[in-house]
Amino acid sequence: QQQVKQSPQSLIVQKGGISIINCAYENTAFDYFPWYQQFPGKGPALLIAIRPDVSEKKEGRFTISFNKSAKQFSLHIMDSQPGDSATYVCAASKGNNRLAFGKGNQVVVIP
Amino acid sequence: DTGVSQNPRHKITKRGQNVTFRCDPISEHNRLYWYRQTLGQGPEFLTYFQNEAQLEKSRLLSDRFSAERPKGSFSTLEIQRTEQGDSAMYLCASSLTGGPQPQHFGDGTRLSIL
Repeated sequence: QQQVKQSPQSLIVQKGGISIINCAYENTAFDYFPWYQQFPGKGPALLIAIRPDVSEKKEGRFTISFNKSAKQFSLHIMDSQPGDSATYVCAASKGNNRLAFGKGNQVVVIP
Repeated sequence: DTGVSQNPRHKITKRGQNVTFRCDPISEHNRLYWYRQTLGQGPEFLTYFQNEAQLEKSRLLSDRFSAERPKGSFSTLEIQRTEQGDSAMYLCASSLTGGPQPQHFGDGTRLSIL
């Protein structure tokens, strides 16, 4: 059973545009929601994370929006650059425990 | 670089052989996690340790898989009698304890079964 679901599966964005990736989760006990960036042949690298007591968190060009009632959270990449072309994977956990991951979204930024 | 280190980076073996992977976590991290990732999928949890104690194993984890963290530092993951379906990227992550903590991943060991 997939506890975390991502959409869209892939995304093509022009340089300078906004990339938006969505995740939905099932388990209301989840209280930690990170986003990871992954390049081919590499492990996931933590980008940004949020807890459910805030609705938005911004770090540089990356923003997480969190909607507790809808059980959804999204990643916004502002001013997308070709170097942002990667797979973005959302995850969720209860406390400091194992992460449940989505399948990942491939983002391609075209010049 | 004091990140999570995994060895080997690639392992090719014949079906039926045993393989062992090693993970060296970030030095002050006392939690260590193993995940498996197949092409086009997100990582899937296998097991985790707090110091030397193995606290949880996935119900999906075959008894051919075993993991150890004997001194609470590095960890090994062994797969006995490998099967074609074991081909995947095996990822290790580490974190501090106490409340939600970011898990930092290594670059994984890519296992290919011939």
